[in-house]
Amino acid sequence: GAGVSQSPSNKVTEKGKDVELRCDPISGHTALYWYRQSLGQGLEFLIYFQGNSAPDKSGLPSDRFSAERTGGSVSTLTIQRTQQEDSAVYLCASSRSGISGNTIYFGEGSWLTVV
Amino acid sequence: QKEVEQNSGPLSVPEGAIASLNCTYSDRGSQSFFWYRQYSGKSPELIMSIYSNGDKEDGRFTAQLNKASQYVSLLIRDSQPSDSATYLCAVIGLGQGGSEKLVFGKGTKLTVNP
Repeated sequence: GAGVSQSPSNKVTEKGKDVELRCDPISGHTALYWYRQSLGQGLEFLIYFQGNSAPDKSGLPSDRFSAERTGGSVSTLTIQRTQQEDSAVYLCASSRSGISGNTIYFGEGSWLTVV
Repeated sequence: QKEVEQNSGPLSVPEGAIASLNCTYSDRGSQSFFWYRQYSGKSPELIMSIYSNGDKEDGRFTAQLNKASQYVSLLIRDSQPSDSATYLCAVIGLGQGGSEKLVFGKGTKLTVNP
């Protein structure tokens, strides 16, 4: 596609339910990143994929959070047993290969509200 | 100590003035620095990158880097109401396994008043 595509754009879920957020990176981009942005806060790194591997998952806040990437393309971020503090915008970004020397392109984000 | 720090603002300037946005970072080994603009409800977009000490100009935007002081700034000349947004400073940091990641500050909210 022309840009990084994320779905759903908005999700309201009840506390305790599981949610899946999808990211479709720019075609040909091997690097994919997930960030979280809470209200009034900066972007918090969650996980980095190079191809289907995740060399850095250090930002995942708890074991309720997991992510996978298949076919070197689409990635899914899963949050189990959602809590109210999980409410945030989840941003996906991709680049041709890593960060140095490449431009990072962000999707429009998935706005998650846990009630 | 936070890795990237910015004044949260809000910063308010009149139309036509110079807006000055500042950022400090903790990792003395950092080499690459970025400024992103984020309109309310939208995703961040890259507006400037800077890698060497000194100034880098692009239109009305000037990025300034001082590695000795671990300081990077963004100047917006002839500010326009359309420049009203949150400006995020980002630095390349090291992640697990030697991978790189962008580390962001919390952003400075800029309002340009007509």
